[in-house]
Amino acid sequence: DGGITQSPKYLFRKEGQNVTLSCEQNLNHDAMYWYRQDPGQGLRLIYYSQIVNDFQKGDIAEGYSVSREKKESFPLTVTSAQKNPTAFYLCASSKQGNQPQHFGDGTRLSIL
Amino acid sequence: GENVEQHPSTLSVQEGDSAVIKCTYSDSASNYFPWYKQELGKRPQLIIDIRSNVGEKKDQRIAVTLNKTAKHFSLHITETQPEDSAVYFCAASIGDSNYQLIWGAGTKLIIKP
Repeated sequence: DGGITQSPKYLFRKEGQNVTLSCEQNLNHDAMYWYRQDPGQGLRLIYYSQIVNDFQKGDIAEGYSVSREKKESFPLTVTSAQKNPTAFYLCASSKQGNQPQHFGDGTRLSIL
Repeated sequence: GENVEQHPSTLSVQEGDSAVIKCTYSDSASNYFPWYKQELGKRPQLIIDIRSNVGEKKDQRIAVTLNKTAKHFSLHITETQPEDSAVYFCAASIGDSNYQLIWGAGTKLIIKP
């Protein structure tokens, strides 16, 4: 879906470093989500946001942080507290809850 | 906690045959069940979804059936084509949240020519 843009496509993190993944949508969706995908597994929810200036923890929020200052943007920071950050990170948005979620192309994060 | 089990993990079918993937969920309050297709290294894309007030939904070669009593739902693909080869994920909403989905582990569908 061309309406959700994630950047960068590939990202490398050094020990002790925080990195931020960008997610922007122009679909005018209220809800946005961050998922982590590991090989051979389903998607696991990190954080989600129902509206601007509000967000909730998902199943695996430890070591991650988010902000939702604008409707279009939902950046994810992977902090140094996340000891196993190597994964494929997917951002999604939906008009409201229990509505189809539209995904970005993902960011692949690796450790240097 | 709530979970979704998806079977099989790998499915190989002859081109033109049908494929069926089954998911079982644990939360009796789940009311939204989407299916996504993900090609290697790409984004998941919604292919069909169903809500708890409907037993079956079709879209051309794709159909989804829901059995609320048994708490399982299935994806049916007929007349399979090479472009159907991908990983398919099912998901179920968490009953007390309109925003959280629990995802199955995925099924790798291989279409043999």
